[in-house]
Amino acid sequence: GESVGLHLPTLSVQEGDNSIINCAYSNSASDYFIWYKQESGKGPQFIIDIRSNMDKRQGQRVTVLLNKTVKHLSLQIAATQPGDSAVYFCAENTGGGNKLTFGTGTQLKVEL
Amino acid sequence: DTAVSQTPKYLVTQMGNDKSIKCEQNLGHDTMYWYKQDSKKFLKIMFSYNNKELIINETVPNRFSPKSPDKAHLNLHINSLELGDSAVYFCASSPGLSEARGAYNEQFFGPGTRLTVL
Repeated sequence: GESVGLHLPTLSVQEGDNSIINCAYSNSASDYFIWYKQESGKGPQFIIDIRSNMDKRQGQRVTVLLNKTVKHLSLQIAATQPGDSAVYFCAENTGGGNKLTFGTGTQLKVEL
Repeated sequence: DTAVSQTPKYLVTQMGNDKSIKCEQNLGHDTMYWYKQDSKKFLKIMFSYNNKELIINETVPNRFSPKSPDKAHLNLHINSLELGDSAVYFCASSPGLSEARGAYNEQFFGPGTRLTVL
């Protein structure tokens, strides 16, 4: 399934399916992008990052795609598991001092 | 063995009161941050300190005053609390500042402090 993060939308997927979470960023000068996962009652946790000179980066079960032409970022999660249920945020590094600007987040729900 | 810790976890108080939230990191990081997350889960940076020096100060009311006694601690004091201050406040830390465009230092977040102003 897919989603576009605007007002904390919810993406529901079946366990074992692939998930795609989308994010539109605003600053064309941003040179670094990060995906964070936030489980209920916890702080955000780093998942994967990508620099602006790349268009794809893979981690363990996760892939981030960057399309600078349309200022779009996506997170793909393979074989989604119940433990993946969380709110996912994209963030862009928008300035000096490690300043991160976060997107609005997408709630991922994994159904058994 | 908690990397970034915050106290208290929950804080309920009356409008007009003054309160503080404490943050400590044992990662040896140079940079620490405060974020505010509202009821819609929107997460926004408030302050950042690097080696006890303020480097990011977003448009935050001056009722909010961060204090960094040493680089392992960054506390947040809030005067004259208002209803709109109700939120979850997250502390974070990173090894240091990015030294070149495109460099990034991963930010490690604490568990958050849920502040409720009545």
